[in-house]
Amino acid sequence: AQSVTQPDIHITVSEGASLELRCNYSYGATPYLFWYVQSPGQGLQLLLKYFSGDTLVQGIKGFEAEFKRSQSSFNLRKPSVHWSDAAEYFCAVAPNRDDKIIFGKGTRLHILP
Amino acid sequence: DTAVSQTPKYLVTQMGNDKSIKCEQNLGHDTMYWYKQDSKKFLKIMFSYNNKELIINETVPNRFSPKSPDKAHLNLHINSLELGDSAVYFCASSHGRAAYEQYFGPGTRLTVT
Repeated sequence: AQSVTQPDIHITVSEGASLELRCNYSYGATPYLFWYVQSPGQGLQLLLKYFSGDTLVQGIKGFEAEFKRSQSSFNLRKPSVHWSDAAEYFCAVAPNRDDKIIFGKGTRLHILP
Repeated sequence: DTAVSQTPKYLVTQMGNDKSIKCEQNLGHDTMYWYKQDSKKFLKIMFSYNNKELIINETVPNRFSPKSPDKAHLNLHINSLELGDSAVYFCASSHGRAAYEQYFGPGTRLTVT
């Protein structure tokens, strides 16, 4: 069965520091990959997605993610975090275009002033 | 203008009651979803409708019944509420199926006492 693993439940970084959130998926072919962000008390918002092509994708709010087929990973990065980036981040995968999206368990990002 | 709206935002009720949550989207999307997010923030799809047709029906107790009167609305009715139904329920919509960006509503926090 397809699965998504986010190994870090919590991550704390200082404001202005760089960020990398890890995501690994389990699926034979190249799935559709997503990163969503959930601010406290809010619904989820799509940060970026990867379907095919360039393995480095740019998203909103200065985020980017890199697809690495050999590592079955789709890690999210940001060069310099802002206090407003404190939120829950979800990696998600859809095995194909018409299938359901499976979400990881999320990584809670804390920002130190 | 709210893209995906849900009512109510909070719902507190007793075990055994029947309740409904309503969802409306004004994005012109043809696919709508219900997700359940538990206390550990784990997000799981429950149902999906495409053009008013049920296309995803996960292993959910039959006490949960979705209804889509038209493409812009997807309601969730829950019979005989149980303590374990306490969660945040999110509605989402997309233009097309899984691989397209899903827009989430703000969520309905259901508390069963």
